[in-house]
Amino acid sequence: DVKVTQSSRYLVKRTGEKVFLECVQDMDHENMFWYRQDPGLGLRLIYFSYDVKMKEKGDIPEGYSVSREKKERFSLILESASTNQTSMYLCASSQTSGLTDTQYFGPGTRLTVL
Amino acid sequence: SQKIEQNSEALNIQEGKTATLTCNYTNYSPAYLQWYRQDPGRGPVFLLLIRENEKEKRKERLKVTFDTTLKQSLFHITASQPADSATYLCALDANDYKLSFGAGTTVTVRA
Repeated sequence: DVKVTQSSRYLVKRTGEKVFLECVQDMDHENMFWYRQDPGLGLRLIYFSYDVKMKEKGDIPEGYSVSREKKERFSLILESASTNQTSMYLCASSQTSGLTDTQYFGPGTRLTVL
Repeated sequence: SQKIEQNSEALNIQEGKTATLTCNYTNYSPAYLQWYRQDPGRGPVFLLLIRENEKEKRKERLKVTFDTTLKQSLFHITASQPADSATYLCALDANDYKLSFGAGTTVTVRA
């Protein structure tokens, strides 16, 4: 079974702090994704990566950056956390690009920015 | 841009009944559509994928239909059980690598 793990289930940070969210997948998947999920808004794509050291902006990249130094690991960085970044963050991976690919999600990190 | 709408209200049904969830989309013609289940505090889990040339797909007590003319997918849970209580998300391909997700419909099955 594909396993996607995230470094923390719950995280509380203060405004202005730099925040790192880590995601690791164990199935050698090419693609990795970061979403945030807010009530009524569904999942919104922040960034994705289709290869090591490659990244593409999603729909809401402002205030975020990412890093993919190894195939299995994809990190989301909040350079200076703000209260409007309080949310559930979900990491996902998929095997290849292509129309039939399903995504495998991690358990999520609930981030609260005070 | 692609817009995806799911049942706006939560769905409460009696155990044993069929739950029917709706996913409508606009401004695009996806080649496939996926359904995911999400339990509280957890990440979504893939359930079913249906392609544009497939009218219906089944998996155990789940059935999905895809009507590209109506731009709609229906997701049915037959003989529902309390364990089916969750939020169900539809997703479709926006372009390469990217899925667009609906906001989800929360289903509660009463014993």
